[in-house]
Amino acid sequence: KAGVTQTPRYLIKTRGQQVTLSCSPISGHRSVSWYQQTPGQGLQFLFEYFSETQRNKGNFPGRFSGRQFSNSRSEMNVSTLELGDSALYLCASRGSGGVAEAFFGQGTRLTVV
Amino acid sequence: KNEVEQSPQNLTAQEGEFITINCSYSVGISALHWLQQHPGGGIVSLFMLSSGKKKHGRLIATINIQEKHSSLHITASHPRDSAVYICAVATGNQFYFGTGTSLTVIP
Repeated sequence: KAGVTQTPRYLIKTRGQQVTLSCSPISGHRSVSWYQQTPGQGLQFLFEYFSETQRNKGNFPGRFSGRQFSNSRSEMNVSTLELGDSALYLCASRGSGGVAEAFFGQGTRLTVV
Repeated sequence: KNEVEQSPQNLTAQEGEFITINCSYSVGISALHWLQQHPGGGIVSLFMLSSGKKKHGRLIATINIQEKHSSLHITASHPRDSAVYICAVATGNQFYFGTGTSLTVIP
């Protein structure tokens, strides 16, 4: 069973640009959630998608958006990048079993210069 | 108030020592994960627990659902164990994370 795949692994962007990150969940998982980890901060919840619908959203500005496709792959987009958006972006894939088994991607490390 | 509290925040150990990292949570959970993050690296899931105890090599994770507490133990610690260890609890539609324990194992 393939793991959760996040692409790209590393990315450098310039302030003001926009960026799109991708997360391919475990086969059969319909829930994908996204998290941001900035230096010195813990992991903070961005949003969660289930069957192409956003079910829950964290406290982030509207520059952060996401979507999920019919094959459960998810993308998150950050527009008008700021230096403070430099972070590790992590996605998690969850199944619908009772124990809510979840798997984590390795993350995408975004640097904004 | 944080939903997940970890202790200690920082830990330095001599190679070979037995290490314990603790995690307490205040929300109802469906599962708890222990994650490992090396400096500048990605995140690797070490364990997922919903009850009892799991062992993988020198790593042992336990959870007490009634007390809302989990521990991660490392036996015979090694410098390559130096990393940040993060406790994550699955609840509802999202995870809550502890702030992590930074472990340094000195040869």
